[in-house]
Amino acid sequence: GEDVEQSLFLSVREGDSSVINCTYTDSSSTYLYWYKQEPGAGLQLLTYIFSNMDMKQDQRLTVLLNKKDKHLSLRIADTQTGDSAIYFCAQPSGGYNKLIFGAGTRLAVHP
Amino acid sequence: GAVVSQHPSWVICKSGTSVKIECRSLDFQATTMFWYRQFPKQSLMLMATSNEGSKATYEQGVEKDKFLINHASLTLSTLTVTSAHPEDSSFYICSARGGTRSYEQYFGPGTRLTVT
Repeated sequence: GEDVEQSLFLSVREGDSSVINCTYTDSSSTYLYWYKQEPGAGLQLLTYIFSNMDMKQDQRLTVLLNKKDKHLSLRIADTQTGDSAIYFCAQPSGGYNKLIFGAGTRLAVHP
Repeated sequence: GAVVSQHPSWVICKSGTSVKIECRSLDFQATTMFWYRQFPKQSLMLMATSNEGSKATYEQGVEKDKFLINHASLTLSTLTVTSAHPEDSSFYICSARGGTRSYEQYFGPGTRLTVT
């Protein structure tokens, strides 16, 4: 079945760039998503990329998609303490496009 | 982005009782809603997919009679945890998809259920 994998933890210094990586298995996915979850809250849709794109930039966020390697990454430029959260990579599956999530990457930003 | 609400945000109930959680899409019509469960420091586990006016589709291993889902309108889905037990304690999150950008899925803030 479909599977999405992420590294579990990333620690960066404030002002540096963060890169969160994800690998997926279903090459037929039309879109791939990044969600952010702060403690005790639901998930916030950060950005998504269509499968026919290699890169998408949205302010401080840059998404890179390598379809050959089935690898997705999220780069956060000038990381701030408010970026500390768990970041989930997700791909749709099935007729209703239910989302399959990775385990989530916990981003810790320190001074 | 679109807004999805959940009510209540947290609830404490006694073993054996039933609890209903509401999920509403506030500014769009949700053709499909999803219910997830999240354990501490873990990812989201999809429980079921519901479409307005039809029966929910449950994921393997999820008890249909235990977790009753009703998607009565294009803006409301409910999850009822029946005869709750302490092992049902968890964070339940709904999401909704629909409108002009149906490939976007928006999540509610979650409901923390504690069964004593």
